[in-house]
Amino acid sequence: GNSVTQMEGPVTLSEEAFLTINCTYTATGYPSLFWYVQYPGEGLQLLLKATKADDKGSNKGFEATYRKETTSFHLEKGSVQVSDSAVYFCALHGSGSEKLVFGKGTKLTVNP
Amino acid sequence: ETGVTQTPRHLVMGMTNKKSLKCEQHLGHNAMYWYKQSAKKPLELMFVYSLEERVENNSVPSRFSPECPNSSHLFLHLHTLQPEDSALYLCASSQEFSSGGRIHEQYFGPGTRLTVT
Repeated sequence: GNSVTQMEGPVTLSEEAFLTINCTYTATGYPSLFWYVQYPGEGLQLLLKATKADDKGSNKGFEATYRKETTSFHLEKGSVQVSDSAVYFCALHGSGSEKLVFGKGTKLTVNP
Repeated sequence: ETGVTQTPRHLVMGMTNKKSLKCEQHLGHNAMYWYKQSAKKPLELMFVYSLEERVENNSVPSRFSPECPNSSHLFLHLHTLQPEDSALYLCASSQEFSSGGRIHEQYFGPGTRLTVT
C-alpha cells in the first residue's frame, strides 16, 4: 500500500537558518504529493503540492521538488522565521486511490 | 463564519458518557471527512461522506458513530469510549470526493481535543 516516511522531529533552529525536512514515499503509479502545516491550536493547512515528477511546489518561501527517481519530496526553506514554528506533514494521494496518506509529522521550533 | 468550524474545541468525557462532535463547512463542498490525530502517529482517516452518503469506513469501532444530515454538517457521536480514544479529532471537507485520478484539496477544521477519563 501507499506510505509516507518523514524525518523524526523535533527540529529546533535559530531564526534565518536553513530548513530541510525529509520525506520519502512508497506508492504505485503516479501519486500527487503535498506538504501540510499545522500551527499551534489549529487544523492542517495545505502549504504546497506537486502533481507530477520534477514539479516544484512553493509557497511562503517553502519549496519541495517531486523526485520520482528517489521517491522523495523534501521540504526546504532558505531562512526560517519564528512564525514558521509548527508541525509539518508530508502526504500523498495515490493516482488510483481516494485517500490522503500522511506521514507522522515533524515539529519545527524556530528560536529568535 | 468561513472555512471549516468544529465544536467543541475541547471535550473531557468519562467512559460511560455520550457526547457528539460537530463540524460545519461554509465552503459549499460535497465531501466531508473525520480524521483522528494521535501523538506520534500519522493522521488516521475514520470516515468519508460524499453528498451525505458514507463512502468510507476505515474499520472504526462502533463506539464512534458518524452522521451527515446535509452536505454542510457532519457529526461524530461518541459513546462508551476508552482512554486510548483520547486524541485530536479533525474534520475536513473537499469540493468532491477524489476519485478517478481527480484530486480535490481538503480543507481542515481546527479540531476537537478529546480526553477520555
